[in-house]
Amino acid sequence: GAGVSQTPSNKVTEKGKYVELRCDPISGHTALYWYRQSLGQGPEFLIYFQGTGAADDSGLPNDRFFAVRPEGSVSTLKIQRTERGDSAVYLCASSRSFAGELFFGEGSRLTVL
Amino acid sequence: DQQVKQNSPSLSVQEGRISILNCDYTNSMFDYFLWYKKYPAEGPTFLISISSIKDKNEDGRFTVFLNKSAKHLSLHIVPSQPGDSAVYFCAASVGGAQKLVFGQGTRLTINP
Repeated sequence: GAGVSQTPSNKVTEKGKYVELRCDPISGHTALYWYRQSLGQGPEFLIYFQGTGAADDSGLPNDRFFAVRPEGSVSTLKIQRTERGDSAVYLCASSRSFAGELFFGEGSRLTVL
Repeated sequence: DQQVKQNSPSLSVQEGRISILNCDYTNSMFDYFLWYKKYPAEGPTFLISISSIKDKNEDGRFTVFLNKSAKHLSLHIVPSQPGDSAVYFCAASVGGAQKLVFGQGTRLTINP
């Protein structure tokens, strides 16, 4: 499809495990964003890429969270030693440029048991 | 510290009437404001935005009003249609759209 694609759509894991969430942005979009939405809350900014580099990672909650975008297209959000509090919907968005409209994917729902 | 607040978790409006969704913010540095709409199991979709140099922006049935002195914005939908039933998020940023601060959302239900 032409939209932002996120996989997996659902992930259930056990506390302490490692998780990777993938985002495939809209073709040609240079900017990519990760947000996290907890139950009953709005999306919360995690990290923003312009090209391959993380332009702003100030929203990452701690050093268990890491994201990469090695070729300036697909991005992977990596969570180490998952905790129950990490359970949320992880949303990826892309935009054509730095200040362009954000297009969101459907999200990856992470449940940590 | 919630910088963007939507104090009404839900709103119910009759079809054809006006829907008014409200949002308050605390950070006076915010200069760009947006509304997003979200259906279940889908990502948020952009609806309308306004820059702090304006006090009103209109797009079809949707109008956003910004009151900077009150740090308040609102989204008006008129006439409301059943397809407008969704969760609406307001969001704000400093210097552009890339790092958005979202409110908690308001679930709008349009009754036939």
